[in-house]
Amino acid sequence: DIQTTQSPSSLSASVGDRVTITCRTSQSISTYLNWYQQKPGKAPNLLIYAASSLQSGVPSRFSGSGSGTDFTLTISSLQPEDFAIYYCQQSHSTPLTFGGGTKVEIK
Amino acid sequence: EVQLVESGGGLVQPGGSLRLSCAASGFTFTNFWMHWVRQAPGKGLVWVSRIHSDGSSTNYADSVKGRFTISRDNAKNTLYLQMSSLRAEDTAVYYCARDPRGGTCDLWGQGTLVTVSS
Repeated sequence: DIQTTQSPSSLSASVGDRVTITCRTSQSISTYLNWYQQKPGKAPNLLIYAASSLQSGVPSRFSGSGSGTDFTLTISSLQPEDFAIYYCQQSHSTPLTFGGGTKVEIK
Repeated sequence: EVQLVESGGGLVQPGGSLRLSCAASGFTFTNFWMHWVRQAPGKGLVWVSRIHSDGSSTNYADSVKGRFTISRDNAKNTLYLQMSSLRAEDTAVYYCARDPRGGTCDLWGQGTLVTVSS
């Protein structure tokens, strides 16, 4: 199975800050990597697919990069509605695996 | 409206069975793979199972293999998860999700809570 690891597990940031979350996989997955946002009591929402493609309707302040085993989600200017938990997920092979999540909190 | 609506969750005793349903609307159900993903209270997301658009192929997490069965009725636009031999560690919110491109979940239901307890 491909292990998927995120860091940090939590971070505190202010509105307007640039935020970066990292995801690493235990083997190369090309660009088969997705990012999701989840708010309390809600279902996850797809932000980025194929490592760097922005899902329709997602604000352009979200971006993704990386290939192989190392990936990054960047929020260029954090907005109040962005405080949530973010998950990466590899779609290279089953079992599909998610990272442990990164909780973005208000500083 | 494009949506997925899960149902069938509830309280069940260890060793019991439950069938979850996921009703799809607003899109062509037969064009998509479908997944079940679960989330234990206060924990992260865990993939459970997926099924091909025509039902011809299925995959499972090791933790549920042999106990859970995914299926679909394309005539009814409905996805199912038959769960048996349930354990306390199966307690979670279960989400169904649509997959347009092989492992990417672009539409999720609201989730249904399964609690396994005596």
